[in-house]
Amino acid sequence: KQEVTQIPAALSVPEGENLVLNCSFTDSAIYNLQWFRQDPGKGLTSLLLIQSSQREQTSGRLNASLDKSSGRSTLYIAASQPGDSATYLCAVNAGANNLFFGTGTRLTVIP
Amino acid sequence: EAGVVQSPRYKIIEKKQPVAFWCNPISGHNTLYWYLQNLGQGPELLIRYENEEAVDDSQLPKDRFSAERLKGVDSTLKIQPAELGDSAVYLCASSFSQNTEAFFGQGTRLTVV
Repeated sequence: KQEVTQIPAALSVPEGENLVLNCSFTDSAIYNLQWFRQDPGKGLTSLLLIQSSQREQTSGRLNASLDKSSGRSTLYIAASQPGDSATYLCAVNAGANNLFFGTGTRLTVIP
Repeated sequence: EAGVVQSPRYKIIEKKQPVAFWCNPISGHNTLYWYLQNLGQGPELLIRYENEEAVDDSQLPKDRFSAERLKGVDSTLKIQPAELGDSAVYLCASSFSQNTEAFFGQGTRLTVV
């Protein structure tokens, strides 16, 4: 069974700082990897989807990379803002959109 | 375009009572999922539908949970009877097809007392 780990579990940074969130997975046979954002008491908002054949995807201040062979993905957030405060989840698609989630990184951006 | 819509947003019931959740996926999305999220954890798949067919329900506790997706659009998830340990957030998601981007609803937070 695919296991997904996210480190760190929590992160606090001052506003304006660039930061990196990490995601690792145990089985490199994946279709794609998706990064989500979850605000307290809310559902999941899709941020980026990286196909297994891709190395990275960018959306605004977000950049996600994928190294399938080593079982790792990173989410880079540039120039962080207080509005970026949320829990960030990565999900590995093991096939047929059977998504395996990590437990998330809770990000706090301090004004 | 509306996203995935779930109702109710919150539900409090006594143990042993039945409860049902409803999900309307994004129009045109053939694949629908129900996930369970416990506090501080990532979501876990309960059941996946391709159109009206349940193609993966291996994680669904079938003794008390049931789901249906009539006409391949809306879906309901039912628990009968509910237990204290069922308290969690139930998330519905949809995607156009297998292995395309999944979109989630706001979830239903269930509290069993």
